[in-house]
Amino acid sequence: GAVVSQHPSWVICKSGTSVKIECRSLDFQATTMFWYRQFPKQSLMLMATSNEGSKATYEQGVEKDKFLINHASLTLSTLTVTSAHPEDSSFYICSVVKPGSLDNSPLHFGNGTRLTVT
Amino acid sequence: TQLLEQSPQFLSIQEGENLTVYCNSSSVFSSLQWYRQEPGEGPVLLVTVVTGGEVKKLKRLTFQFGDARKDSSLHITAAQPGDTGLYLCAGGRNKIIFGKGTRLHILP
Repeated sequence: GAVVSQHPSWVICKSGTSVKIECRSLDFQATTMFWYRQFPKQSLMLMATSNEGSKATYEQGVEKDKFLINHASLTLSTLTVTSAHPEDSSFYICSVVKPGSLDNSPLHFGNGTRLTVT
Repeated sequence: TQLLEQSPQFLSIQEGENLTVYCNSSSVFSSLQWYRQEPGEGPVLLVTVVTGGEVKKLKRLTFQFGDARKDSSLHITAAQPGDTGLYLCAGGRNKIIFGKGTRLHILP
């Protein structure tokens, strides 16, 4: 069965609005979750590492004020795309790793959220 | 910064043929993973290789980790249309990075 639940699976929003994406770990408590972005025909790019109870760690070039991450519990992390623009349109995927895993791998992925900003 | 280079980026072959996909880096990895991704879905783990020189088999798929743990390969024997997808190698310490992927298309 699914280890990670991501919601919504797709969303269309108008430019300037904000969109929240939820990522739930179903099988285990996840102190760490990862958010990736994937543009069409491209690979996954790590956006940020979400840490339960503390601030997320963002990758270089990812605006923390634009992509707000909240990891409020051991089973839920949210990514909010604020003031969305068409260039933010992408496939956003979260992943979790089982506690105690070596080097935070392997990853268990949600089914992704297709965001389209019009 | 650790980087993973995958080749080829695209591959289209006939059903029944064999193929090999490569994942290379100048960095040493404690482990590498291979994932497969279908359109509109998240990647699914195929295998993790940990030991230098390790070979793992998953039905018609054979994965190898280089002796120096800097590279890995995925070999598919007698490819089938169901093998079509995006194959990604990944690795890292505490945060996982991905190669650019190999988009495989098997023609019936």
